[in-house]
Amino acid sequence: GAVVSQHPSWVICKSGTSVKIECRSLDFQATTMFWYRQFPKQSLMLMATSNEGSKATYEQGVEKDKFLINHASLTLSTLTVTSAHPEDSSFYICSALGDRAFSGGYTFGSGTRLTVV
Amino acid sequence: KQEVTQIPAALSVPEGENLVLNCSFTDSAIYNLQWFRQDPGKGLTSLLLIQSSQREQTSGRLNASLDKSSGRSTLYIAASQPGDSATYLCAVRLEGSNYQLIWGAGTKLIIKP
Repeated sequence: GAVVSQHPSWVICKSGTSVKIECRSLDFQATTMFWYRQFPKQSLMLMATSNEGSKATYEQGVEKDKFLINHASLTLSTLTVTSAHPEDSSFYICSALGDRAFSGGYTFGSGTRLTVV
Repeated sequence: KQEVTQIPAALSVPEGENLVLNCSFTDSAIYNLQWFRQDPGKGLTSLLLIQSSQREQTSGRLNASLDKSSGRSTLYIAASQPGDSATYLCAVRLEGSNYQLIWGAGTKLIIKP
């Protein structure tokens, strides 16, 4: 089946530093990648949608200069949290939409727990 | 604007019971509906995907139904086990959308041994 590998699974960083999160589709081509953020006891909030080779589309209220998304290939998308602050601490999950072979379903990464201290 | 609601927000039942989780959506123009499971601090596992033309899908002890006209879906779990404890999320994909999913807030399920 379809697998998306997300790394790191957790990271602790100092305020003001940048953190990169990677999502790789291991056995399919991810034409579209979704990046979500999830706060404790809340559901997923879509941050942005990216298609391979084009600029990401950000949801209202999400700062594109702070959350840099790169989808340079059909198997790799990255989210970089720049100049992280404690309020950016959250659980970040990527979701890939692949080709029709997977019946239009979405494959999720295992998530990254970001803690900014 | 599509809204997805899940009731109850939390549910605790003894092991072995059959149970039903509910998901409702306000706009019936959906492409499909999915049920996911999320374990604490982890990603999501897709459980069942129901296309808009389908009425139900089954996988093992799980059965999901879809009634587009009434904007409802249910997830039925038979003979619950402690390992079923998790948060269950439903999400709809809209027709003609850019593949975005609209999410419910989830039902936190606890199965007591």
